[in-house]
Amino acid sequence: GEDVEQSLFLSVREGDSSVINCTYTDSSSTYLYWYKQEPGAGLQLLTYIFSNMDMKQDQRLTVLLNKKDKHLSLRIADTQTGDSAIYFCAESLNTDKLIFGTGTRLQVFP
Amino acid sequence: DTAVSQTPKYLVTQMGNDKSIKCEQNLGHDTMYWYKQDSKKFLKIMFSYNNKELIINETVPNRFSPKSPDKAHLNLHINSLELGDSAVYFCASSQDYRGQKLFFGSGTQLSVL
Repeated sequence: GEDVEQSLFLSVREGDSSVINCTYTDSSSTYLYWYKQEPGAGLQLLTYIFSNMDMKQDQRLTVLLNKKDKHLSLRIADTQTGDSAIYFCAESLNTDKLIFGTGTRLQVFP
Repeated sequence: DTAVSQTPKYLVTQMGNDKSIKCEQNLGHDTMYWYKQDSKKFLKIMFSYNNKELIINETVPNRFSPKSPDKAHLNLHINSLELGDSAVYFCASSQDYRGQKLFFGSGTQLSVL
């Protein structure tokens, strides 16, 4: 299957951590990605993880991968108002396309 | 310099018209894509071209015809526009056909009245 699911909304206070979750169905995915979409803009690659890794940290971003449960998460530490956007996870199959999740709208309030 | 640029940013047109969206990338990438994002923000691939050759053609009506004159350009022509074609269309590119690490344009918001 090619379904990649995310919760639709997440609201956090500035300075708190945000955790955005994603579940996917295809266990043969080689890479998994997180993209960010700000209003009126295209998607921007934030970070990615290879399928044989459990965790990847990149400054304020931490990606966790649980292959057994087909669960991917993105943790943003010290969330700022500039982090408000839609976040998409995506899986790369052994083919030539990305399958995007349904997107999570993150709202950060002061 | 914008890496992936598409024009126009906004397109408002009547049902039945024919319109084109242009896309250019200056990253030297081999592969370019068209994605459609609907009102619920769901993003779905339409086409991809690798070195001017069509490699992905999802279930898209044949009113949509992509054209790649060279590997830096991928245009999208739409005939007989319908209300359901209203969406944001994104062009993207990647280094090769394996679809890793896409770079997106800023989108074309198409409104069909």
